[in-house]
Amino acid sequence: DAKTTQPPSMDCAEGRAANLPCNHSTISGNEYVYWYRQIHSQGPQYIIHGLKNNETNEMASLIITEDRKSSTLILPHATLRDTAVYYCIVRSDGYSTLTFGKGTMLLVSP
Amino acid sequence: DTEVTQTPKHLVMGMTNKKSLKCEQHMGHRAMYWYKQKAKKPPELMFVYSYEKLSINESVPSRFSPECPNSSLLNLHLHALQPEDSALYLCASSQEAPGADTQYFGPGTRLTVL
Repeated sequence: DAKTTQPPSMDCAEGRAANLPCNHSTISGNEYVYWYRQIHSQGPQYIIHGLKNNETNEMASLIITEDRKSSTLILPHATLRDTAVYYCIVRSDGYSTLTFGKGTMLLVSP
Repeated sequence: DTEVTQTPKHLVMGMTNKKSLKCEQHMGHRAMYWYKQKAKKPPELMFVYSYEKLSINESVPSRFSPECPNSSLLNLHLHALQPEDSALYLCASSQEAPGADTQYFGPGTRLTVL
């Protein structure tokens, strides 16, 4: 699976959009981009995933660049409960496992 | 429903004890996973079960013994652990379907080895 690069930490004001970047320049054609988050001492929570097209669900939006070498997770209106470590993971389709990197610690402040 | 349950939530054990961690899912998923997460580190894969058979063992020491009694249950038997085995143990499950196969995680068991 391709490696990902994320900033170690980011800050966001409550109510503003949080835009979390991820670089995956070695991604190959059959690899998906997954985002999980982990609130302190809890299990990782699935957020969203995509292959080529932008995706949106009730939690977030995922924007994937046309060359697929980077992506951005958008939390449109961040709340204090969104404070967590956010992991961007690239994995091939089928039955491959998840390899977590260090992630981005997002701190949402009042 | 995307719930994976784990028991117990917390476990303290001595180095000579034998204990078990339990994981359960009722989503009809056919793959189940154990991860280990040390403090301030990302989760690391330990074992994968696919259709109740062990498919991946990431060179985990034999003092950790996984078991999959049926497609809904996953156990991790612990024996003669060391203090450095203290960690958050996470269980996950997925459909094991072609294409994107999303893993859903339980809340974890916080293990302390004295």
